[in-house]
Amino acid sequence: KQEVTQIPAALSVPEGENLVLNCSFTDSAIYNLQWFRQDPGKGLTSLLLIQSSQREQTSGRLNASLDKSSGRSTLYIAASQPGDSATYLCAVELDSSYKLIFGSGTRLLVRP
Amino acid sequence: DVKVTQSSRYLVKRTGEKVFLECVQDMDHENMFWYRQDPGLGLRLIYFSYDVKMKEKGDIPEGYSVSREKKERFSLILESASTNQTSMYLCASSLQALSYEQYFGPGTRLTVT
Repeated sequence: KQEVTQIPAALSVPEGENLVLNCSFTDSAIYNLQWFRQDPGKGLTSLLLIQSSQREQTSGRLNASLDKSSGRSTLYIAASQPGDSATYLCAVELDSSYKLIFGSGTRLLVRP
Repeated sequence: DVKVTQSSRYLVKRTGEKVFLECVQDMDHENMFWYRQDPGLGLRLIYFSYDVKMKEKGDIPEGYSVSREKKERFSLILESASTNQTSMYLCASSLQALSYEQYFGPGTRLTVT
């Protein structure tokens, strides 16, 4: 059974710091991995999608990497800003279904 | 930009009522999904639909049904609401099966009293 784990559960950093969020999954048979952002009481916003054949994707200050063989992905946020404060979720799409399996998220606070 | 809208942001219903949650997407996506999100349990898939009138059960379908009469609209129905269905409900859509991004709506916070 696929399990997705995100560490740390919460992170507080000063503005301007570069930071890394971690996501690990137990079964490497995935189609893709997606990173989302969720603001309190709101829906999810898709940040980056990495196909299983890709190693990384970049969007602005965000860079996500994928290492299928080790079951790991990282989301790198450069020069963090208070507006980056949110919960970040990773999810894997299994190659046997349409389903996304979500991690429990990392709650990020960027202090001014 | 993909837009997924949900009929209500907040909803309060009584135990035993029949509840309809509606979701509409404007990008001609094939797939639509209903999730619920609870503290400590994360997001869990209730039902999904890969075509009009087609549906598949997710991980927690008990107590729910769905309807997809038109491609753009996917409804979640709570046949007889119970207090343990108090939750945040999130709708999502994706272009096609597998390897396409899922886009989420803003969510409906449902409270059953």
